[in-house]
Amino acid sequence: DAGVIQSPRHEVTEMGQEVTLRCKPISGHNSLFWYRQTMMRGLELLIYFNNNVPIDDSGMPEDRFSAKMPNASFSTLKIQPSEPRDSAVYFCASSLSLDEQFFGPGTRLTVL
Amino acid sequence: KQEVTQIPAALSVPEGENLVLNCSFTDSAIYNLQWFRQDPGKGLTSLLLIQSSQREQTSGRLNASLDKSSGRSTLYIAASQPGDSATYLCAVETGANNLFFGTGTRLTVIP
Repeated sequence: DAGVIQSPRHEVTEMGQEVTLRCKPISGHNSLFWYRQTMMRGLELLIYFNNNVPIDDSGMPEDRFSAKMPNASFSTLKIQPSEPRDSAVYFCASSLSLDEQFFGPGTRLTVL
Repeated sequence: KQEVTQIPAALSVPEGENLVLNCSFTDSAIYNLQWFRQDPGKGLTSLLLIQSSQREQTSGRLNASLDKSSGRSTLYIAASQPGDSATYLCAVETGANNLFFGTGTRLTVIP
């Protein structure tokens, strides 16, 4: 298994632009998580899905952030419009039910 | 809200030394606790998962213990190697698959 796949690995964009991060979970896993990692706040859960349904989005910082999971093998995290304070590493993770979570390599986002 | 603290924030040891990393959490109502390793510029690798009903887990040179009542976990690394240099994160899982992470301990093993 290739593990959790995230794309792009690096993204540099200008303030105000739309950013879309992509994640492919491990095949067979039914839970998917989006995390953000910053120096100031460490790792924080943004949102998670169970069986493609958003369960808890209380960690999503603002309405500028949205996440979708149209099917069991794909999820997106969108920021529109992006701001410099959104610069961080965004991780996607997947798990089978309540088992341990497996993390992707992350997307390093820089908003200028 | 669950708060997870890791001490020390950074640690340097000579190769071959045994070491202990500490993790504490404020709410003992957890489902499990995980220790992760993060290498610079890379994602997280799960090292050990301890269920709330367990006291410890071992994998190779790594041993993690859990004392849920006191809100503490330790990660013991035996015979440290330069390849062990990384940031080690602990995370506790509360209800609804919510993982709360500590800020990590940056370990440097000096050859």
